[in-house]
Amino acid sequence: DTGVSQNPRHKITKRGQNVTFRCDPISEHNRLYWYRQTLGQGPEFLTYFQNEAQLEKSRLLSDRFSAERPKGSFSTLEIQRTEQGDSAMYLCASSLAEGIYGYTFGSGTRLTVV
Amino acid sequence: QQQVKQSPQSLIVQKGGISIINCAYENTAFDYFPWYQQFPGKGPALLIAIRPDVSEKKEGRFTISFNKSAKQFSLHIMDSQPGDSATYFCAATLDFGNEKLTFGTGTRLTIIP
Repeated sequence: DTGVSQNPRHKITKRGQNVTFRCDPISEHNRLYWYRQTLGQGPEFLTYFQNEAQLEKSRLLSDRFSAERPKGSFSTLEIQRTEQGDSAMYLCASSLAEGIYGYTFGSGTRLTVV
Repeated sequence: QQQVKQSPQSLIVQKGGISIINCAYENTAFDYFPWYQQFPGKGPALLIAIRPDVSEKKEGRFTISFNKSAKQFSLHIMDSQPGDSATYFCAATLDFGNEKLTFGTGTRLTIIP
């Protein structure tokens, strides 16, 4: 296991289309996080899972966003009816529940909505 | 409040010099303060972190200074090298049961020969 894997790396979509991103965490990590990073800004927390349970969602996560982590392994983040304001880098990270010391980010999925 | 303010937005330092990036936080409940390094096209990578019960932590050329009373912390990069050119983010979090990170806005560091 070489780290947190995110697919696709880049996604260009037309406004109004739905998109789905996938994150494969480090295998022994039971916590999985999603962040969004816009150009020139720091990452902003969206949501996180412990195993398959979604424990917290940011107010940034509108009704058009949904995240799942079936069976506590990989996770998907879906955005419905994309808007230009959704254009950003979507970052996934994983860690062990015992502490933040093993917090590892993936390389992200860059979404461009045209 | 959950904000973490970071400065400067960009920094140019000569090779061999000291790079200093500053952050300030508002939420006194924060108790873990990591710094992340991000290269273009990559996710952030943990560089060094500190807890508020110490005033300084050093790892190689990287040092965090922490001032609890002022609610400020800073990253010092000694003997800065061109390979250190990257964007640096400070962050803060609550360690007990709530590990989401609140990030600063980032500092783009450029080391010139």
